[in-house]
Amino acid sequence: KNQVEQSPQSLIILEGKNCTLQCNYTVSPFSNLRWYKQDTGRGPVSLTIMTFSENTKSNGRYTATLDADTKQSSLHITASQLSDSASYICVVSAGSNNNDMRFGAGTRLTVKP
Amino acid sequence: EPEVTQTPSHQVTQMGQEVILRCVPISNHLYFYWYRQILGQKVEFLVSFYNNEISEKSEIFDDQFSVERPDGSNFTLKIRSTKLEDSAMYFCASSGGDRSYYEQYFGPGTRLTVT
Repeated sequence: KNQVEQSPQSLIILEGKNCTLQCNYTVSPFSNLRWYKQDTGRGPVSLTIMTFSENTKSNGRYTATLDADTKQSSLHITASQLSDSASYICVVSAGSNNNDMRFGAGTRLTVKP
Repeated sequence: EPEVTQTPSHQVTQMGQEVILRCVPISNHLYFYWYRQILGQKVEFLVSFYNNEISEKSEIFDDQFSVERPDGSNFTLKIRSTKLEDSAMYFCASSGGDRSYYEQYFGPGTRLTVT
C-alpha cells in the first residue's frame, strides 16, 4: 500500500532554533517528493520539489533532503521565525502520473517567542 | 504573482442540497485539480482535469460529484445531494504553463459545512 508517514506529529520550538521534520514513504514507483507548508485554514504552498536524482534542495531557510534508497526525506528549517508556525506536509507522487499524489498527515510546527 | 482563487470561502448547506464550489485557476495553466481535507485529516485527491475532460479520479469522486470548466476560466466542483460527511475544506489547484509541470498551486479553499 502506498503510504506517506510523517514524524513528529507535532513540534514546539523556540524562535530562532532549528528543527528537522521527517517523512518516510513506501510509494512506488517513485516520481517526485514535495514539501508543502499549510497555514491554518489555507491551501498548501509548495516549498520544494525533488525528483529521484536530487538528494537536496533549498528554498531560503528550508532545506529538503531525499534518500531514494531508504525512501526517506527530511525538511530542515533554520533560524525559525514565528511565521513558520504551520503544518508541513510531505507529498509523494507515484509513477509518471503527476495526479497520483499521496499526502502525509503533516507535522504541526509551533514556533514560540 | 498570479494565484488560484476560490469562492465562496465558506458554504453552509443542508443535507440533501446541491452545492457548486468555484475556482479560478492561474490563467496559463492547463491542469486542474480538486482536493478535500476533512478537519484534522490528510488532504485527499478527488479529481484531475485536462483538455476539458477528467484525466483521473479517486474512489471518493463517485457519481455524487462532477466537475466542469464552463467558460475557459472557471473550474467548478458540483456536489449533488450533500451528506454530513461531505463537510470539509475543498481545495482547487492548477499546474502547467510557464512554470514546472510538477508544481501545483493551491487556492485558499472553500469550507463546506453540511448541516
